[in-house]
Amino acid sequence: DAKTTQPPSMDCAEGRAANLPCNHSTISGNEYVYWYRQIHSQGPQYIIHGLKNNETNEMASLIITEDRKSSTLILPHATLRDTAVYYCIVRVGGSNYKLTFGKGTLLTVNP
Amino acid sequence: DTEVTQTPKHLVMGMTNKKSLKCEQHMGHRAMYWYKQKAKKPPELMFVYSYEKLSINESVPSRFSPECPNSSLLNLHLHALQPEDSALYLCASSHPDGGRTGELFFGEGSRLTVL
Repeated sequence: DAKTTQPPSMDCAEGRAANLPCNHSTISGNEYVYWYRQIHSQGPQYIIHGLKNNETNEMASLIITEDRKSSTLILPHATLRDTAVYYCIVRVGGSNYKLTFGKGTLLTVNP
Repeated sequence: DTEVTQTPKHLVMGMTNKKSLKCEQHMGHRAMYWYKQKAKKPPELMFVYSYEKLSINESVPSRFSPECPNSSLLNLHLHALQPEDSALYLCASSHPDGGRTGELFFGEGSRLTVL
C-alpha cells in the first residue's frame, strides 16, 4: 500500500471549516483513500473514503486531486468534539484486510 | 447494533500470568482484527481472522495467541508477557466482503499493563 504524508498537527477555530491535507504521491490506480479519526482514549472511527471522485457524507467531505496524488478532508463546521488524531490511509480495494495507519494529524479545535 | 465490545477495559498482569482479552460483535461481520497501540503511536495490525480462520499474522510473538471460537467472538490469549507489551489493544470487525469497503468498526480497546 502507498505511503501517506500528513502534517503532525493543526489548529482550527470552533465553527470554522477544518481542512486536513494528505499527500499520497505513490498511489496506484486500484488504491482508495480512507480517512479515520481517533478521539482520545477511544477506538478509531471510519469517516469517509474515495477512489477518484469527491465524496461527501454526514461527517465530512473528501476532495481528491485529479492526479490523485493528494487529498483533503474537510470538516465543514468543526466543533470541540472533533478534536482528534486524523489518519489518512491508502489501501487497495477488494479482498484486502490490511488497514495500515500512519502517524496522522492531531487536529485541535479551539473555542 | 453497531458496536464492538471489548472486555476488560483495563487489565494489570504480571509477567508470569495468563490472561485473555475478549471481543464481541453482533453485526454479522466475518472479519475480525486485533491491533496494538502504544502511547502516542498509531495502531499496529497484529492479526486478522476471516471466516473464523487466521488469515494474517503480522509476525507477532507467540506469547500472544489469538482465537476465534465463532463468528461473533475474538479472543487474545496472553502468556509470559513483557513490560514493553503494555499498550492499548484494539479489536475491530468488518463486513464479510473481505473488508472491501475498508470500513472497520473498532471497539474502545483494552488497556493492558504488564508489571
